[in-house]
This record gives sequence, structure tokens and C-alpha cells, in this order.
Amino acid sequence: QVQLVESGGGVVQPGRSLRLSCAASGFSFSHYGMHWVRQSPGRGLEWVAVIWYDGSNEYFADSVKGRFTISRDNSKNTLYLQMNSLRAEDTAVYYCARDLADDGGSSYLDHWGQGALVAVSS
Amino acid sequence: SSELTQDPAVSVALGQTVKITCQGDSLRNYYASWYQQKPGQAPVLVIYGRNNRPSGIPDRFSGSNSGNTASLTITGAQAEDEADYYCNSRDSSGNHWVFGGGTDLTVL
Repeated sequence: QVQLVESGGGVVQPGRSLRLSCAASGFSFSHYGMHWVRQSPGRGLEWVAVIWYDGSNEYFADSVKGRFTISRDNSKNTLYLQMNSLRAEDTAVYYCARDLADDGGSSYLDHWGQGALVAVSS
Repeated sequence: SSELTQDPAVSVALGQTVKITCQGDSLRNYYASWYQQKPGQAPVLVIYGRNNRPSGIPDRFSGSNSGNTASLTITGAQAEDEADYYCNSRDSSGNHWVFGGGTDLTVL
């Protein structure tokens, strides 16, 4: 079955960097776009970034653009989120999710990992 | 607009029907999807597209779309349906995705 497992979370000081990984299994990883979504404590879901199945396109939420990068290694079935210049407001649980696209251009996040907690604090 | 608007909280009596709505301009171009999230757990996709349920989602969950509004209906709500529900779609640019603020569903 589809499995997504995030790792790399932890406590980091403001201004520092952290890289999250998402190990995928149970499906053809190279055939699917992938997303990162975050949730700050007690708050709602916030979309962070997406990468196309072949890495040809990437898009970011305005709140992280220029600080975060998304990448993937299809040979390792792994998605990454490189987070630089971290701020207190980046504190959240970060989820990776698989993209399910339909023929009309809509897409949906059909499988999610369990999340990795990132805490930005001095 | 890149926003999706949901009512913050809704309640329903056990066994009754409840509709949760989501409004936004992007819904005129893209279908919404709906996610159920229980405390301490990852979100789970419950409805997507015109009205599709992933495997394992009970058929009491259904979706509908009209103009700039998407709706999630639970027919015969159960105690285990008490959760936060979020809608999501691509935004009007097509290059970003956006979530609604979430609806806290209470089953009385």
C-alpha cells in the first residue's frame, strides 16, 4: 500500500536551516507530483510547495518563496524540503502528500504522511 | 482571489444530515477536495472531484459543486465523524494550491 514517511524534523534556531525528507513506497513515485503541507500548532492546513512528477516545475506559497526549495530523487523514491532562514512562524508539523491529478486540471492530495514536527526557537 | 472560505464550526445531531460548504473563485475552474482530520492525526481525503470517494470512505460522505461553492454532505452523521474538515483546490493561477480555514464538526 502507499506509504509516505517524513523525517528530519526537530528544533532549530531562527535563521538556521533544516532539510526534511519524505520516503515513498507502494507506488510508482516517479509518476506522481508531490506536495508539502504544514500545520502550525492549533491552526489550519497551509499548502507549502509542489513539485511535478519529473521535477520540471516547482511552485511555492508566498510565505516560503525564496527561503524554501523542494526537490526529489526519483531513483531513491524520496522527496525533500530544504528550509533556509527559518522563522518562528515556520514552526509546524510538515506533511508530504501525493498529488492525484484528473483530466480536467484539478488535483487532489490522496495520500499523506504522518508528519514531521519542526520547531523554530532560540 | 486565492481564498477558500468555510464556516468555522458546525454541529449535527447523531444520525442527521449536515452540509459543510466552501466558497471561492477558484472553484469556478477547479474541483475541490475534502479532508477529514482528527486530533493528532494526518488529514485523510474523503471526497474529490465531482463526487468521488477514495476506497474505504463510507458512502454517507458525498460532495457537490455549484458555481463558486463546493459542499460536503454527511448523511446520517456518526460519532466518529466528529473532526475538522478542510476543503482544498488549485487557486485561480493554477500554480498554487489553497486550503479553506477548516470547519470543526461536532456530532451531538
